[in-house]
Amino acid sequence: EDQVTQSPEALRLQEGESSSLNCSYTVSGLRGLFWYRQDPGKGPEFLFTLYSAGEEKEKERLKATLTKKESFLHITAPKPEDSATYLCAVQGQGANNLFFGTGTRLTVIP
Amino acid sequence: NAGVTQTPKFRILKIGQSMTLQCTQDMNHNYMYWYRQDPGMGLKLIYYSVGAGITDKGEVPNGYNVSRSTTEDFPLRLELAAPSQTSVYFCASSPRTGRMNSPLHFGNGTRLTVT
Repeated sequence: EDQVTQSPEALRLQEGESSSLNCSYTVSGLRGLFWYRQDPGKGPEFLFTLYSAGEEKEKERLKATLTKKESFLHITAPKPEDSATYLCAVQGQGANNLFFGTGTRLTVIP
Repeated sequence: NAGVTQTPKFRILKIGQSMTLQCTQDMNHNYMYWYRQDPGMGLKLIYYSVGAGITDKGEVPNGYNVSRSTTEDFPLRLELAAPSQTSVYFCASSPRTGRMNSPLHFGNGTRLTVT
């Protein structure tokens, strides 16, 4: 059965304090690993898709990496506007949907 | 370009009442999905559709029904609402072109309370 575990559940950072969020996954044949950002009262907003181990993608202060068992979302010099819940999801071979983790709630303090 | 639009934003139902959550997208996406999100839980798939006239059950379909008569619209029907259906409901769509996945585009959700 597909499984996604995100850690930590919550993370408080000072502005400028870099850190990483973890997404560990178990899936039958990974078709894609997705990172989303969700602000309070809003739907998830797409950030990245990673398809194979060793792949990396960057967007502003965010960088996502992928291994065969986990993905990391690295946040470099975060700003208060980076505060949000970050969701990880996987899609396995033959699946028509994404399987989501429970998210990491990030708070960046000025 | 509106993307995925969900109505209503909020609703309070009494136990046993019925309602339809509306979802429409203007991106001509073939795939549409309904998820529910509960505190401390990941998004759970209720139903999905790969095109007009085709729907299939997801992980948690009990108590819900869907239809897909057009590419744009994918309404979710709750019959005989129960407190366990108190949740935030998200509709999403995806073009799903080619062999690689395309990301899901989400609406802003409907917050439903059943009392």
